[in-house]
Amino acid sequence: QQQVKQSPQSLIVQKGGISIINCAYENTAFDYFPWYQQFPGKGPALLIAIRPDVSEKKEGRFTISFNKSAKQFSLHIMDSQPGDSATYFCAASLISGGYQKVTFGIGTKLQVIP
Amino acid sequence: KAGVTQTPRYLIKTRGQQVTLSCSPISGHRSVSWYQQTPGQGLQFLFEYFSETQRNKGNFPGRFSGRQFSNSRSEMNVSTLELGDSALYLCASSPTLAGGTDTQYFGPGTRLTVL
Repeated sequence: QQQVKQSPQSLIVQKGGISIINCAYENTAFDYFPWYQQFPGKGPALLIAIRPDVSEKKEGRFTISFNKSAKQFSLHIMDSQPGDSATYFCAASLISGGYQKVTFGIGTKLQVIP
Repeated sequence: KAGVTQTPRYLIKTRGQQVTLSCSPISGHRSVSWYQQTPGQGLQFLFEYFSETQRNKGNFPGRFSGRQFSNSRSEMNVSTLELGDSALYLCASSPTLAGGTDTQYFGPGTRLTVL
């Protein structure tokens, strides 16, 4: 059962445009929501993360918007650049049995065209 | 500080064989997690080791096993390989247990192809 649903699976955006990736979760016990960026041939790297007590977090051109009541969160990439072309994963983590468990979305392949 | 390293980077095996993958975490990190990445399933959690003990396990069959050594290096073994085991296997390290405010640092992965 996919606990974190991510969409779209692929996205093409013009340079300078806004890239938006959405994620939805089911389990209200999730308490940490990171986003990862993965370039071809590399492992995922943490991009930005948010906790559910905050509705928005911004770091440079990257913003997470979080809607606790709707159980949704999204990544916005402002002024998208060709260098942002990568696969993006949302994730959600919770404590189960005394340990943190991380569940990833299926990923979004972003292509920013000049 | 050196990042997470994984060896080998690429492997080709045939069905029925077994394989061992290796992961060296960032110096000082005690937690190592393993993930399987496939186009259709995304990142699937395999297991996590901390101080040589398996602390957390995903929903994979017993053919997938691992261990961690006293220097925090970890190995993952897959026995009786199946075609569906073809994937990118990622290792991630963190100072303590995965999740929460401890960032997981991923290695570049080992690309396993089963023929």
